[in-house]
Amino acid sequence: EDQVTQSPEALRLQEGESSSLNCSYTVSGLRGLFWYRQDPGKGPEFLFTLYSAGEEKEKERLKATLTKKESFLHITAPKPEDSATYLCAVQAAGSARQLTFGSGTQLTVLP
Amino acid sequence: DTGVSQNPRHKITKRGQNVTFRCDPISEHNRLYWYRQTLGQGPEFLTYFQNEAQLEKSRLLSDRFSAERPKGSFSTLEIQRTEQGDSAMYLCASSAPGGGTEAFFGQGTRLTVV
Repeated sequence: EDQVTQSPEALRLQEGESSSLNCSYTVSGLRGLFWYRQDPGKGPEFLFTLYSAGEEKEKERLKATLTKKESFLHITAPKPEDSATYLCAVQAAGSARQLTFGSGTQLTVLP
Repeated sequence: DTGVSQNPRHKITKRGQNVTFRCDPISEHNRLYWYRQTLGQGPEFLTYFQNEAQLEKSRLLSDRFSAERPKGSFSTLEIQRTEQGDSAMYLCASSAPGGGTEAFFGQGTRLTVV
């Protein structure tokens, strides 16, 4: 059974204080690993897809990396508007393309 | 096209009533998914359509749940005889043809069963 574990569950940062979120996964053949951002009461917003170990993607203050067992979402010099829940999900090869999600990391960036 | 659209955004119903939610995917997307999300958890897969065919259902989808996607366009999710445990956010997502493509989510329908 595919599993995704995210840590920490919650993270509070001061504005400008860089940090990383972790996503550990077990999957029977990885088709892709996805990062989403979710604001309260809204649907997840797509951020990145990573397909193979060693791959990196960047968008503004966010950088996602992938190894064979985990992914990291690095947040550089965060701003209060980066406050949200960050969700990691895996898509298994041979599946109907559905995603298996972790429980998310709730990030709060204080001004 | 402005993305995946879900209606209604909020629904309050009494236990035992039936409810139906609608999802309009991004127009060129042939894959459509339903997920359920409870507070503090990530979304959980419920069911998957490719065009009009329902190809996969999670064991989370009890007999009280049914989903359709007539003509491969919009989709509906119906819950019969609602229970308090059905209270959750119901999310719809769609993705384009091809492998490994990202899924785009709607804003969800928040169901509260009282």
